[in-house]
Amino acid sequence: DTEVTQTPKHLVMGMTNKKSLKCEQHMGHRAMYWYKQKAKKPPELMFVYSYEKLSINESVPSRFSPECPNSSLLNLHLHALQPEDSALYLCASSRGQGINNEQFFGPGTRLTVL
Amino acid sequence: GQNIDQPTEMTATEGAIVQINCTYQTSGFNGLFWYQQHAGEAPTFLSYNVLDGLEEKGRFSSFLSRSKGYSYLLLKELQMKDSASYLCAVIWNQGGKLIFGQGTELSVKP
Repeated sequence: DTEVTQTPKHLVMGMTNKKSLKCEQHMGHRAMYWYKQKAKKPPELMFVYSYEKLSINESVPSRFSPECPNSSLLNLHLHALQPEDSALYLCASSRGQGINNEQFFGPGTRLTVL
Repeated sequence: GQNIDQPTEMTATEGAIVQINCTYQTSGFNGLFWYQQHAGEAPTFLSYNVLDGLEEKGRFSSFLSRSKGYSYLLLKELQMKDSASYLCAVIWNQGGKLIFGQGTELSVKP
């Protein structure tokens, strides 16, 4: 299994809703990532988990809350989002965190906040 | 800053060769990746360079000069399906943070 899966593919939510994005990989990778990508822009790093511990938080607002329940799963909990948070949210994984570790990306969740 | 510069758009003809350049700040550099991203899809890995020189992989090659802070992606025998955004991404200081350039939108025309 050489892929990263993400659910749901699309999500529409109101500003008062609570929802979660899910990401899964079974490649034995120990680093997992969340990126945000707006249209016509490159992916922007949000969080990095290494060995199930939060390693990097790129000053992301607290309305985004990551969780790594085990080495295969990564969640992103969403609460009280703003319309400007609408974007493609990409999950990625790699063998380890750092150099010489290519990141494999999932297909993304396209989020719309109304 | 960690400036990564690449052209915004390029156009090329089917069957031709195209070179997409990327320049970056050299301080703390630890590796450079090229990714391909079709509209509405996830980025897919193309190549990784950490040492100077050329890495060849089929129709795609990537070159790196660490001293000049310069890389290029070379695409040969262009096909229509190569129309996509090509992202140059750099890792600095072993931190695992992959910083992407703005991407180059390549259009391949018949």
